[in-house]
Amino acid sequence: DQQVKQNSPSLSVQEGRISILNCDYTNSMFDYFLWYKKYPAEGPTFLISISSIKDKNEDGRFTVFLNKSAKHLSLHIVPSQPGDSAVYFCAASLGDYKLSFGAGTTVTVRA
Amino acid sequence: DAGVIQSPRHEVTEMGQEVTLRCKPISGHDYLFWYRQTMMRGLELLIYFNNNVPIDDSGMPEDRFSAKMPNASFSTLKIQPSEPRDSAVYFCASSAGTFEAFFGQGTRLTVV
Repeated sequence: DQQVKQNSPSLSVQEGRISILNCDYTNSMFDYFLWYKKYPAEGPTFLISISSIKDKNEDGRFTVFLNKSAKHLSLHIVPSQPGDSAVYFCAASLGDYKLSFGAGTTVTVRA
Repeated sequence: DAGVIQSPRHEVTEMGQEVTLRCKPISGHDYLFWYRQTMMRGLELLIYFNNNVPIDDSGMPEDRFSAKMPNASFSTLKIQPSEPRDSAVYFCASSAGTFEAFFGQGTRLTVV
């Protein structure tokens, strides 16, 4: 069963605009969340993370928001750039090193 | 650092053959993970090691799969015998005791 869900398989956004990627989870015991980015024929690369004791974490153009009561997190990319076109995975941990991944969202940034 | 190195990048084999995938983690990292990516199941953790010791292999699908880590700089994932449903991209990742794992480029396995 998928404990981490990314319900939007794809997202298209114009360069310079905001990209918002969503992720829902079912297990309230998850206490650490991560976003990974993946280009074709490469492995996923770590992007940003957030602990369950926080509700926001920002790193440059990337911000992750966590809403524990809704079991929802989102990744905001502002402004979106062509190099951001990739597949984005949401992942969650129960406090050990086992990560549960979502199915991914393919982002396309249009010039 | 060269990052996590996996070999081969592509492997095509016939059903019933033994397949061995190889991984060299980042030097100094004490955790090593094997993941599998398929269209149906996405990215799933197969097994992970800490200081060369297997910690959790609950994700290994069947006894046909085995993984070893004889030293801190090398790990193998073996499938014997291979079946067409094993076709997937297999990723190795390592970390230095944090949740942020660094992934290799993956091995695309095709079993015909």
